[in-house]
Amino acid sequence: KQEVTQIPAALSVPEGENLVLNCSFTDSAIYNLQWFRQDPGKGLTSLLLIQSSQREQTSGRLNASLDKSSGRSTLYIAASQPGDSATYLCAVSLNQAGTALIFGKGTTLSVSS
Amino acid sequence: DTGVSQNPRHKITKRGQNVTFRCDPISEHNRLYWYRQTLGQGPEFLTYFQNEAQLEKSRLLSDRFSAERPKGSFSTLEIQRTEQGDSAMYLCASSLDPNQPQHFGDGTRLSIL
Repeated sequence: KQEVTQIPAALSVPEGENLVLNCSFTDSAIYNLQWFRQDPGKGLTSLLLIQSSQREQTSGRLNASLDKSSGRSTLYIAASQPGDSATYLCAVSLNQAGTALIFGKGTTLSVSS
Repeated sequence: DTGVSQNPRHKITKRGQNVTFRCDPISEHNRLYWYRQTLGQGPEFLTYFQNEAQLEKSRLLSDRFSAERPKGSFSTLEIQRTEQGDSAMYLCASSLDPNQPQHFGDGTRLSIL
């Protein structure tokens, strides 16, 4: 059974710091991996999607890497801003047919000004 | 692109009542997903439609739950004889294909009195 773990559960940093969020999964046979952001009381916003054949994806200040063989992904946020404060969720898709996502519990990030 | 729309945003009901939620996906997306999220947890997959066909159901979807997607457009999720444990945020997502991100609505928060 696929399990997704995110560490740390919570993180507080001052504005301007670079930071890394970690995601690990137990079964390396994934179809793709996605990172989402969730603001309180809201739905999820897709940040980055990495196909199983890719090593990384970048969007603005965000960079996500994928090491499928070791079952790990990282989300790197450069020059953090207070507006980055949110919960960040990692999810893996197991196959092309079903594409149901298996989520971690998330990392809650707080960036202080 | 008007995004995924969910109604109602909040639903408060007494235990034992039936409730129905609606999801309108992004118009060109043929794939639609329902998830459930409780406080401090990541979303858990409930069911998946491709067009009007319900192709995958989680074991979390007990026989009190039923989902439909008539004509492959909007979808409804009904919970019969609600229980305290049904209190959660119910999220809907849609996508164009398995290589594209899933786009989420803001969810329907269900509270059982």
